[in-house]
Amino acid sequence: DAKTTQPNSMESNEEEPVHLPCNHSTISGTDYIHWYRQLPSQGPEYVIHGLTSNVNNRMASLAIAEDRKSSTLILHRATLRDAAVYYCILRKTSYDKVIFGPGTSLSVIP
Amino acid sequence: ETGVTQSPTHLIKTRGQQVTLRCSSQSGHNTVSWYQQALGQGPQFIFQYYREEENGRGNFPPRFSGLQFPNYSSELNVNALELDDSALYLCASSLRGERNNSPLHFGNGTRLTVT
Repeated sequence: DAKTTQPNSMESNEEEPVHLPCNHSTISGTDYIHWYRQLPSQGPEYVIHGLTSNVNNRMASLAIAEDRKSSTLILHRATLRDAAVYYCILRKTSYDKVIFGPGTSLSVIP
Repeated sequence: ETGVTQSPTHLIKTRGQQVTLRCSSQSGHNTVSWYQQALGQGPQFIFQYYREEENGRGNFPPRFSGLQFPNYSSELNVNALELDDSALYLCASSLRGERNNSPLHFGNGTRLTVT
């Protein structure tokens, strides 16, 4: 299974943009990049996913490097509710198992 | 649409006992997977079920077993509980299809404490 690496923790000020990086240098051509986040005392929550092109949804944007060896989750205006652990994972198909790493713990400072 | 629900939310068991955790999938989803999450770590994949059959398993011993029912609800059974089994157990459902990469929808988990 291709692996991802993320910083252990990051801090952001409230209402500022946040860029959460993820490296996946061994990604294969059929791996989708997924992002989930886990708020305290809750299960993980799907944020966004993409294959090659940048993606936007109501929660965030996903910027994928041209060589696909890295990606960045962008929260355009951090709020206190965005404080969570963010997981970047790779997944080939909808029936592949999902392997989580330790993720990035994001703190948002008021 | 109803989300993924898990029961119970908390459970305390004694070492050596057996436990059954339950999960109700999101409406329309045909695949369920289970994860174990120790404190401060990411979720670890236990196994996945599709059409009532195990369809992938992580590095967990046979005393971790599961079932998926025709209505796509699921159970996780753990026999001969050990202290290290204390963790948050997460269930996730998804819609498996050949042409999609649909995301997982997680429940809020069952917190199991083994004493």
